[in-house]
Amino acid sequence: GAGVSQSPSNKVTEKGKDVELRCDPISGHTALYWYRQSLGQGLEFLIYFQGNSAPDKSGLPSDRFSAERTGGSVSTLTIQRTQQEDSAVYLCASSAASGGRRGSGELFFGEGSRLTVL
Amino acid sequence: AQKITQTQPGMFVQEKEAVTLDCTYDTSDPSYGLFWYKQPSSGEMIFLIYQGSYDQQNATEGRYSLNFQKARKSANLVISASQLGDSAMYFCAMRELISTGANSKLTFGKGITLSVRP
Repeated sequence: GAGVSQSPSNKVTEKGKDVELRCDPISGHTALYWYRQSLGQGLEFLIYFQGNSAPDKSGLPSDRFSAERTGGSVSTLTIQRTQQEDSAVYLCASSAASGGRRGSGELFFGEGSRLTVL
Repeated sequence: AQKITQTQPGMFVQEKEAVTLDCTYDTSDPSYGLFWYKQPSSGEMIFLIYQGSYDQQNATEGRYSLNFQKARKSANLVISASQLGDSAMYFCAMRELISTGANSKLTFGKGITLSVRP
């Protein structure tokens, strides 16, 4: 499809294991974002990529979290040594360099990857 | 201090009536954008409306309008003629355009749950 694609949609893992979450943004979108949403809560910013600029990692909660974006397109969020508090829905979004409704540069979200750490 | 504040408890509205969802924000950035997103129980994030800080008129998109009061730093969402399908969580968000740049991250509020009664 033409939207933001995330995989896996669901991931159950054991405490201490590493997980990788993948995001394929909308073609042509230069900006890519990762957010985390715990049950019934708001969206917590994690990291943001814009073109070839250095990513804004200011939201990553610990050094167990990392993300990369290869070739300016697909991104992978890696969580090492998972903890139970990492359980959440991880949302990826992308936006165009300009445009959108009334030039807003709105974010287009994927359906999320639900992570459960046992 | 929180940048986006949504403090209303769960909101209820009768079908076909109008409802206002409150949002206040805090920024020292002279240029910023305000967004509203809808998240139904399915979990997808749906962009509703955008207001730029320098826009002279309040934004409108179909049944959605934004009551933007810059001096009070509020950006309330008004939904007219509520429908059962409007039952969802609603998030207010802000992008600070000078301090973080165009297409930078959005900072989200904690959200408001709206239930439409038949």
